[in-house]
Amino acid sequence: QSALTQPASVSGSPGQSITISCAGSSSDVGFYKYVSWHQQHPGKAPKLMIYEVSNRPSGVSNRFSGSKSGNTASLTISGLQADDEADYYCCSHTSSGVYVFGTGTKVTVL
Amino acid sequence: EVQLVESGGGLVQPGGSLRLSCAASGFTFSRYWMSWVRQVPGKGLEWVANIREDGSNKYYVDSVKGRFTISRDNAENSLSLQMNSLRAEDTALYYCARDSGGPINWGQGTLVTVSS
Repeated sequence: QSALTQPASVSGSPGQSITISCAGSSSDVGFYKYVSWHQQHPGKAPKLMIYEVSNRPSGVSNRFSGSKSGNTASLTISGLQADDEADYYCCSHTSSGVYVFGTGTKVTVL
Repeated sequence: EVQLVESGGGLVQPGGSLRLSCAASGFTFSRYWMSWVRQVPGKGLEWVANIREDGSNKYYVDSVKGRFTISRDNAENSLSLQMNSLRAEDTALYYCARDSGGPINWGQGTLVTVSS
C-alpha cells in the first residue's frame, strides 16, 4: 500500500498546458479503470476532477483531462488559469480491494 | 445536492477512543460504498477505510487494521468510524466520502487530535 508517485510540484504560465503524472504498479494504477483525480485548494475539502481514468463529472471544466498508459496515469490541465493553482492528488483502487492516493502535486500558476 | 457532514472529532489522549459520524443527504445512501479518508494538516491524503452498500464488506489501510471499525446505518443515512487505541500518528482531519470507484463527493472533515 505504498503511495502512488507524483511530482512534488508543476508550474506553468496562464494559458499553457501542464501534465501531472501518477506512477503506480500493475496492482493499482495498471490494475483496472478506477483511477481518479482530486483538486484541493488551501483550507478546503478535496474535489473530484476526473473519475475512471478519463471521465469528467458534471460541472468540471473540459480543460481537465485524464489518461492512463500502463502503470502511469496522467492529468492534463489546458489553458491554465489562476484558479487552477491548488494541490492535486491521484487515487487508485488496488487488487487487494483498498484504495491508495498519490503523494500530491502542487500546481503553481506563474 | 449531495451533503456529507462529519462530526465527533476532538482531542483525545494516546490509547483512547473516539467515534466519528457522517450524516449523508442528497443521494440514496444505501446504494453507495462509503469511505473515510484522512489528512494530516499540511500533508497528503490517506485513504483509511470503506464499506460496501449493505455493510457486508469492509476494507482498511494496514495502519488502522484491528484498531478502527467502519460501520453504517442505512436507515439513518449515517456512516461511522470507531477509533480505538489511538496514536499520535492518527492525528488528522478525517473526511467522509461517497465512494464509486474512488471518492466522488467529500465532506468538510472533522479534526482528530491525539495528544497528552
